[in-house]
Amino acid sequence: SQTIHQWPATLVQPVGSPLSLECTVEGTSNPNLYWYRQAAGRGLQLLFYSVGIGQISSEVPQNLSASRPQDRQFILSSKKLLLSDSGFYLCAWRVAGAIGELFFGEGSRLTVL
Amino acid sequence: SQQGEEDPQALSIQEGENATMNCSYKTSINNLQWYRQNSGRGLVHLILIRSNEREKHSGRLRVTLDTSKKSSSLLITASRAADTASYFCATGFQKLVFGTGTRLLVSP
Repeated sequence: SQTIHQWPATLVQPVGSPLSLECTVEGTSNPNLYWYRQAAGRGLQLLFYSVGIGQISSEVPQNLSASRPQDRQFILSSKKLLLSDSGFYLCAWRVAGAIGELFFGEGSRLTVL
Repeated sequence: SQQGEEDPQALSIQEGENATMNCSYKTSINNLQWYRQNSGRGLVHLILIRSNEREKHSGRLRVTLDTSKKSSSLLITASRAADTASYFCATGFQKLVFGTGTRLLVSP
């Protein structure tokens, strides 16, 4: 069966520090991968999605970046965090080319102080 | 920009009552999905309805779709305290775009 792992679950970072959130999927090949951000009490904002290794589409211009160094690994990064980067970050995957459901990780809660 | 907008933003009911949430979207779709999110957790897929379907059922869930009005509704019948969560609609093909969500509180 397929599983998705996302870490760390919680982190508190100072403004200007770097960020790395990691997401891995098991039990499937060539998934479509997604990063979403959710502000407190709000909906989900699509940040990045990837249909293959090294293929990243950015939806929102900002100081975040994403990389997909391996088929089932998706990394969200920042060189210098801003206060506005605080939020709940969710990684998700879907079968390539499918119109079906997204499978979400448990999320990473980031607080920038 | 958000593709879907749910209303109400928040809904508070008693156990046993029905809960109805609505979703409006802006562009043509080939399907619409509903998800549930417990507080502080990831989203879980509930149901998908295709554009050529008007109604779909899954257990206590009933989803309707009106493509002429670009709207969908999610009905939870005989609600339980465990149904307390946020509910989101989502549309899109390669990029799945989510609405703003409805926070449902079911009181015992």
